Amino acid sequence: AQKITQTQPGMFVQEKEAVTLDCTYDTSDQSYGLFWYKQPSSGEMIFLIYQGSYDEQNATEGRYSLNFQKARKSANLVISASQLGDSAMYFCAMREGRKSSASKIIFGSGTRLSIRP
Amino acid sequence: GAVVSQHPSWVICKSGTSVKIECRSLDFQATTMFWYRQFPKQSLMLMATSNEGSKATYEQGVEKDKFLINHASLTLSTLTVTSAHPEDSSFYICSAPRATLNTEAFFGQGTRLTVV
Repeated sequence: AQKITQTQPGMFVQEKEAVTLDCTYDTSDQSYGLFWYKQPSSGEMIFLIYQGSYDEQNATEGRYSLNFQKARKSANLVISASQLGDSAMYFCAMREGRKSSASKIIFGSGTRLSIRP
Repeated sequence: GAVVSQHPSWVICKSGTSVKIECRSLDFQATTMFWYRQFPKQSLMLMATSNEGSKATYEQGVEKDKFLINHASLTLSTLTVTSAHPEDSSFYICSAPRATLNTEAFFGQGTRLTVV
């Protein structure tokens, strides 16, 4: 069965510093997709970044990058130059079956990131 | 703009009544939609997979008679919480995958249900 683990319940980071949010996963499938979502207090789920299991390059989206280490089953999110607006819950998620958009997505327990001014 | 619309965004109901939550894909067809439940300060837990034209698939431990799911059209899935109790108070959020884009999963805005 697939599983997502986020070991950092909460993190405090100084504004403008970089921060790494950890995520490890477990799956027996060779084809899968990894996601990171941001959830502010409003509850909406904001898509940040996606990494496919067969993607050779680490995904990047603006200030977000995903440090994908397939052998270690690790998909850490790196936020560069953190901003006060980055304070939120962050969820790592996985979908088995890279091709199938209809496969369910499961979520890790989340990390609450707080940015200090 | 939003590609998945969820309504209502919040609802307060009395114990014993039923509440219907709608999830619409706005500019694409979704033969599959997912319903999640999130308790305060916890993660999103998948409740069920809504399948257009057929029965929903429920995750283990989720009462299908309690949480009725109907996916009558390619753009609409509904979740009805029947005979609601205070312990059903939670944040419910739907997701609709887009067949032509598997690198992102689209979520509705969520519904905060409070049962009094």
